[in-house]
Amino acid sequence: DTAVSQTPKYLVTQMGNDKSIKCEQNLGHDTMYWYKQDSKKFLKIMFSYNNKELIINETVPNRFSPKSPDKAHLNLHINSLELGDSAVYFCASSSRTSVVGELFFGEGSRLTVL
Amino acid sequence: GEDVEQSLFLSVREGDSSVINCTYTDSSSTYLYWYKQEPGAGLQLLTYIFSNMDMKQDQRLTVLLNKKDKHLSLRIADTQTGDSAIYFCAEYLSGGYNKLIFGAGTRLAVHP
Repeated sequence: DTAVSQTPKYLVTQMGNDKSIKCEQNLGHDTMYWYKQDSKKFLKIMFSYNNKELIINETVPNRFSPKSPDKAHLNLHINSLELGDSAVYFCASSSRTSVVGELFFGEGSRLTVL
Repeated sequence: GEDVEQSLFLSVREGDSSVINCTYTDSSSTYLYWYKQEPGAGLQLLTYIFSNMDMKQDQRLTVLLNKKDKHLSLRIADTQTGDSAIYFCAEYLSGGYNKLIFGAGTRLAVHP
């Protein structure tokens, strides 16, 4: 059973479109994250939710809107896609009862904007 | 500031030791980590060290921490082809919810 699963794994779309990436974790964790990994492999945190509440919101354009319907799900919606949005987006989760700083990552969603 | 730096590439021969280095900027970091990313996969926690430790050994892995120089290293003994991956150094920023700052990753290539 996949612990942190993301869909879709690959997404190719045109500039200006709106797209969503979904994430689900079955670990019972209370905190979930979105990270962006660019072509040079830099990994930057975008958002973090704890029990459906937004707790970290880095300097991300407001075209990006996370939504957490419950603590097991964290979705990412992106409006008006731009070329620079092309990246691999990783969802992750963590628990206060596990090792501090131990994040469990999904396999990533590779977004290509043409 | 929030910055973690690593060299981008390391090539070693199978059986040799690999040493991956990292420097970080936040002296208040309480934990430092090494994550491993295999091709097409997400990152996985490999090992971590608490800031009051100088060294941690875990089988083939040795983590060294020089807090004065803010330098962290990961040594892999007897490197195998299965160790080929990208290794990310990360620091934990206190005062927040598990805010990890990652380096750019070091790609380790192991050749016969």
